[in-house]
Amino acid sequence: AQSVAQPEDQVNVAEGNPLTVKCTYSVSGNPYLFWYVQYPNRGLQFLLKYITGDNLVKGSYGFEAEFNKSQTSFHLKKPSALVSDSALYFCAVRVLYSSASKIIFGSGTRLSIRP
Amino acid sequence: GAVVSQHPSRVICKSGTSVKIECRSLDFQATTMFWYRQFPKKSLMLMATSNEGSKATYEQGVEKDKFLINHASLTLSTLTVTSAHPEDSSFYICSARGTGTAQETQYFGPGTRLLVL
Repeated sequence: AQSVAQPEDQVNVAEGNPLTVKCTYSVSGNPYLFWYVQYPNRGLQFLLKYITGDNLVKGSYGFEAEFNKSQTSFHLKKPSALVSDSALYFCAVRVLYSSASKIIFGSGTRLSIRP
Repeated sequence: GAVVSQHPSRVICKSGTSVKIECRSLDFQATTMFWYRQFPKKSLMLMATSNEGSKATYEQGVEKDKFLINHASLTLSTLTVTSAHPEDSSFYICSARGTGTAQETQYFGPGTRLLVL
């Protein structure tokens, strides 16, 4: 079955340190991968996506993600965390069905940045 | 980036009544719109996918007669929760996908919190 997994419910990082939020996927065909961020009582904000091209994708707010085909991973990274980065992060993958497509989400990882 | 709005942002209703939630793409044409439901501290669950001018495709386990979806134009989709019950209380989020360069990215609305008393 096609799926996306975020193995960590919570990630805690000190401000100024690098952060990584993990994501692995299982899809047939070439994956289209996404990261979204959700602040409390808000919708999701698009951070970045990988469709093709360079394995390292740069997105909003200084975030980047590395596509690793052999490990079927798409981890989200940032060199220096800010307290304002504290939020809920979702990895997502596009899956194909019939003649259409839809995005399915991982379970989410809560990122907490301490001052 | 593309903007998607939802209205209302919060609604409280009595059990048995119907509630309509609007989702609009403000600066792009949304050929496809999606409706999600999110429970507290949980991920998003896709409820249905709608294409402009055609019937929505519902995910398994989602009652189509209870959650009516209309995608009447390229900028508007509505979700109507009919005969709402307390268990329908949730955070409903819509998403829109456009054409061209925006085709592969879904943009999300801010969500609607529904509380059924």
